[in-house]
Formats: sequence, structure tokens, C-alpha cells
Amino acid sequence: KAGVTQTPRYLIKTRGQQVTLSCSPISGHRSVSWYQQTPGQGLQFLFEYFSETQRNKGNFPGRFSGRQFSNSRSEMNVSTLELGDSALYLCASSLLRHRSNTGELFFGEGSRLTVL
Amino acid sequence: AQSVAQPEDQVNVAEGNPLTVKCTYSVSGNPYLFWYVQYPNRGLQFLLKYITGDNLVKGSYGFEAEFNKSQTSFHLKKPSALVSDSALYFCAVRPESGGGADGLTFGKGTHLIIQP
Repeated sequence: KAGVTQTPRYLIKTRGQQVTLSCSPISGHRSVSWYQQTPGQGLQFLFEYFSETQRNKGNFPGRFSGRQFSNSRSEMNVSTLELGDSALYLCASSLLRHRSNTGELFFGEGSRLTVL
Repeated sequence: AQSVAQPEDQVNVAEGNPLTVKCTYSVSGNPYLFWYVQYPNRGLQFLLKYITGDNLVKGSYGFEAEFNKSQTSFHLKKPSALVSDSALYFCAVRPESGGGADGLTFGKGTHLIIQP
């Protein structure tokens, strides 16, 4: 069974640009959540999508957005990039929504974004 | 809102010795608790979880954790450390009633270094 796949693995952007990251969950998983990992702030929850609808959102500005498609694949977009957006962006999938899920999250290997 | 504290940024242990990585949490109601491990430039991998039942839970790679409700702790342990256990360890919590807007809340992580 294939794991969670994130693309691209590495990318470099400049301030003011926008970026789109992609996540393909484990087959059959309907919940996809996104996390930002930085050395200073650790792992911070961005949002969760389930059945093409955003279910939860963390404390991030509106420049961070996402969507989920009918096949459960998800994308997140960051517009008007800032230096502080440099981070490892992790996608995680699960069968159930966060509030119903007693099992683990399955993480992808992440997309490392560097903003210059 | 829930929170997790991992009081040690780094733990150093000699190979063959027992190891403990500490975690305390704060959550409304009953907690669901998790430990994840992250190797360099990789995503997070699930180690073990406490949902209900026996306070001592066993997980992957010989790790175990003890849930202590009165001390609101969920320390990760292993009887005999291996050099390959060296990695970044995250404790995470969500309330039984659901994650609310915060999803799964992670601690800042503890670097575990096993010295040969």
C-alpha cells in the first residue's frame, strides 16, 4: 500500500511569489491535514480537509489556503511569500476526521520550502 | 485549548542504557496521547498511542509509554537504547471529545542522541 506522497520535496521561491504544494493520501483515507514545521515554532496545525471540505483551521493568515479534490488529493497554497514561510510542510492522512479518529496520522516526507 | 510540554530539548543516553523522554500535557476532558518519531529530512512516524485502558502502552521498536493521569504525563521509555534510536521525538495530544480548531497538538520535540 503506497504511503502519503508529497510533491515537490524541495523548492526555492523568492519573497512575494506564491507556491502550491500537493499531497496524495493513502488510498481510502479521506482526511488530509497539513502542518508547518519550523525550528522555532515546532509543528503547527494549518488545516484539515475531509470530503472536500475544510473542517478545521489553525491560526495562520489568509495567505495560507488549501483544497481537497474528489479523489482526496489535497493542495495547499501560500501566496505573497514571506521569509518566515520557510519551513517543512507536512501532510498527514487518516481514515476519519480528527474529531473521530483514535488512530494515528500517516505523514508524508514533507515539502521543504525555502523563501529567499 | 490543549497543549503539550516536552521539557528537554535534548536527551543524551549511552547505548544499552534505559532512556526516558518526558511529556506532560494539558487538555479538557480525557486525553488521546501519541508519540511520533522523525528522522532527518523525513516525515513523522507513529510509535504508540494511549486511548484508554492499561496505563502502560507498548509500541514499535521496543518503545513503551506510561500514562499518568494525576501527573498529566505520558513519558516515552525504552529499556535498552540503540544508536539507531537517535532521532527527534514528538509527543501529541487531542481531547477525547475531538480536536476542535487545533487538530492534533504537538510538543516542540526532543532530540534523542544515543552515544555508542
